Amino acid sequence: EAGVAQSPRYKIIEKRQSVAFWCNPISGHATLYWYQQILGQGPKLLIQFQNNGVVDDSQLPKDRFSAERLKGVDSTLKIQPAKLEDSAVYLCASSLDVPPLHFGNGTRLTVT
Amino acid sequence: AQTVTQSQPEMSVQEAETVTLSCTYDTSESDYYLFWYKQPPSRQMILVIRQEAYKQQNATENRFSVNFQKAAKSFSLKISDSQLGDAAMYFCAYRSAHRGSNYKLTFGKGTLLTVNP
Repeated sequence: EAGVAQSPRYKIIEKRQSVAFWCNPISGHATLYWYQQILGQGPKLLIQFQNNGVVDDSQLPKDRFSAERLKGVDSTLKIQPAKLEDSAVYLCASSLDVPPLHFGNGTRLTVT
Repeated sequence: AQTVTQSQPEMSVQEAETVTLSCTYDTSESDYYLFWYKQPPSRQMILVIRQEAYKQQNATENRFSVNFQKAAKSFSLKISDSQLGDAAMYFCAYRSAHRGSNYKLTFGKGTLLTVNP
């Protein structure tokens, strides 16, 4: 089966600019996750979708971050405006109701 | 809230030797899953091994095995016959089995494993 696809692989932007990341989960996986991984730390959940509905966005900085999953398939995570502390790897994962999670290769964001 | 602690930021092992990575967790739940993920420089998180809390038998996957101590809330990973390709960041992760938790996966901070030739 094809894995979780993410793009772009790398992105460099200046602070206050906007950026968007795209994720296509494994076919048939109803649950999609966006994680933020700051250098030297474990991934932190930003938002979790079940089909096209949000089930957990408690750690999403909603003043600057937004995410959507139209039609319950692929998803977009946006940051606007970006801050220096947003520099991180953004990981997308998907799963069935039962574990495990399957991860994409991530997008490395650098904010200068 | 569940927490996962990996007390070893870095570990090193000689090729062909055995190494054990530690992980402890805190939960009030009785039913859950535990995982070890490997993250090489390519950044992709790769599942190494999983353990269901209701199973007493320790999980094994080829050279990888776990020591699951439910009462002590400990979940260590043993890598036998270490290979150069095992060098990576290793993350311990916890996932509730209860639907009300939304099956959220909580990670530790990771252990960087170096394999010396």
